[in-house]
Amino acid sequence: DAGVTQSPTHLIKTRGQHVTLRCSPISGHKSVSWYQQVLGQGPQFIFQYYEKEERGRGNFPDRFSARQFPNYSSELNVNALLLGDSALYLCASSFTGARGANVLTFGAGSRLTVL
Amino acid sequence: DAKTTQPNSMESNEEEPVHLPCNHSTISGTDYIHWYRQLPSQGPEYVIHGLTSNVNNRMASLAIAEDRKSSTLILHRATLRDAAVYYCILRDGGGSNYKLTFGKGTLLTVNP
Repeated sequence: DAGVTQSPTHLIKTRGQHVTLRCSPISGHKSVSWYQQVLGQGPQFIFQYYEKEERGRGNFPDRFSARQFPNYSSELNVNALLLGDSALYLCASSFTGARGANVLTFGAGSRLTVL
Repeated sequence: DAKTTQPNSMESNEEEPVHLPCNHSTISGTDYIHWYRQLPSQGPEYVIHGLTSNVNNRMASLAIAEDRKSSTLILHRATLRDAAVYYCILRDGGGSNYKLTFGKGTLLTVNP
């Protein structure tokens, strides 16, 4: 079975541009979460979607947005890119959206470099 | 979210057991203890989780203190492939906890 797939794997943008990152969850998983990982730090939560509805949002500016499609895939959009947006963007999927025992499966990430 | 404290780094030799500690003195009764690891150039990978009792799976064992204020991830025989950053995370089992709160984790180095 395919795991969580993310595209593109690497991309370079310039300040002020926007970027769209894509994620396909594991088949049967209805929840998708997005995390940002800056070099040397642990991942930071951005969004969680479950059954196409936003269930949680982290402490990120409105330049960050996301959506989940009927097939449960997801997109993360970042507008007006800043140098500080350079990071590894991770997508994770799970069968359910919440609960303490729920386990996330992460993709390999999309490495964004903003010049 | 309840916080965890882990050593910044640890070192082990190949084929020896590794005990990775985690302190979580403010843990609540509904918090699950999760461990994830992140190998170089990869996304985090689930390792194990537990609530009150010790847990074993094919990857590792999780030993939880009786008062639940600390836990230890045990790799029974470290291999070079176990070199990674290990994250100890608390997840609330009540309500609608939808996120993992990662700290800096413990960087495990495995020597051949």
